[in-house]
Amino acid sequence: QKEVEQDPGPLSVPEGAIVSLNCTYSNSAFQYFMWYRQYSRKGPELLMYTYSSGNKEDGRFTAQVDKSSKYISLFIRDSQPSDSATYLCAMSGLGDDKIIFGKGTRLHILP
Amino acid sequence: GAVVSQHPSWVICKSGTSVKIECRSLDFQATTMFWYRQFPKQSLMLMATSNEGSKATYEQGVEKDKFLINHASLTLSTLTVTSAHPEDSSFYICSAGKAGTQETQYFGPGTRLLVL
Repeated sequence: QKEVEQDPGPLSVPEGAIVSLNCTYSNSAFQYFMWYRQYSRKGPELLMYTYSSGNKEDGRFTAQVDKSSKYISLFIRDSQPSDSATYLCAMSGLGDDKIIFGKGTRLHILP
Repeated sequence: GAVVSQHPSWVICKSGTSVKIECRSLDFQATTMFWYRQFPKQSLMLMATSNEGSKATYEQGVEKDKFLINHASLTLSTLTVTSAHPEDSSFYICSAGKAGTQETQYFGPGTRLLVL
């Protein structure tokens, strides 16, 4: 079993819809959870960064972490065509510099 | 801010030549930088951890003599792909974390390498 599992998609949704992106993981030592957005041929850009369980909201983005289920989610409200990108979940342990990435989910927002 | 730059953004080279990629943290100091490789439609794969003033730590399966890493200062790390071959063609991305903090890493824009 891979440490981090993420459905590669592609996921296509109409503009304005709520998008739900998810990852599961197996390592209970993970404490830091991140979501990155990567446009084609660009480096990843940090979207959301949470520590331990709970929710975090930033504008149209909400990140949720459920450590009991080893499941994290990213919700995008009022999706826009400019949100079309690959979204990578990532996580690391306490005091551990290494980040483990999911494979990324390709998202297409249809105008 | 936390800006990381990479140079060059694009490089095409002949098989057998060496290519150097620079990674700079522009507005913060980074004692540790990371080098990743990403093949098309694949996730980021950590190649090595670059430590300022000491030897890099390579991940299993990454040849240290082929991928030379130098971290000469708190704002600069370089990756040299020696004797590049077509299978080394990939997207190379570096990241850096702010020294002395638990903040997450910030990524550079990446360098696309094509070896002919």
